[in-house]
Amino acid sequence: EADIYQTPRYLVIGTGKKITLECSQTMGHDKMYWYQQDPGMELHLIHYSYGVNSTEKGDLSSESTVSRIRTEHFPLTLESARPSHTSQYLCASSELGSWKDTEAFFGQGTRLTVV
Amino acid sequence: KNEVEQSPQNLTAQEGEFITINCSYSVGISALHWLQQHPGGGIVSLFMLSSGKKKHGRLIATINIQEKHSSLHITASHPRDSAVYICAVLFGNEKLTFGTGTRLTIIP
Repeated sequence: EADIYQTPRYLVIGTGKKITLECSQTMGHDKMYWYQQDPGMELHLIHYSYGVNSTEKGDLSSESTVSRIRTEHFPLTLESARPSHTSQYLCASSELGSWKDTEAFFGQGTRLTVV
Repeated sequence: KNEVEQSPQNLTAQEGEFITINCSYSVGISALHWLQQHPGGGIVSLFMLSSGKKKHGRLIATINIQEKHSSLHITASHPRDSAVYICAVLFGNEKLTFGTGTRLTIIP
């Protein structure tokens, strides 16, 4: 059983609100990732981190920001939510090796709807 | 342009049938992951392959590096196998590229 948790699972929020999606893992993994997935579409990497105080933007441009103050915690923030941000957001973590060598652990996802 | 292609996109089968899901990619890769996404959205990692074949219970994954192709097989399929199965490949860098997934429905 993977020990990576996302909250909330579902969120409906009004346009313009600030929101933070939480992701925590208890496996001590250095690498953490945020993916965005629209219905029926592939996952796209929007942010990743290789450790505390390390954050990088992924392949898909996103208006969200992330922080990594603690190893186990990788929250994603939208300062002003818009309907175009409606999507599913998945958090993942892995050990400090390569994806070639390590298993991928994913959270349950947060399904965000901005109205 | 998605460099990872999965087929079929949708598959419906009767309980007990042998299932095959295919994944093809455009250039050489370092590793390939098969993932299972449940209706609630959560993803579980099934296999990680760089060569050969792996088996876990009723699931078998194979990869042919020369043909740039991988298959996921499910024997004696069961309704609880209904999910979206996603192929994800590593093209030599640290970022996974995902297929769009195969939606599998097993009818009792």
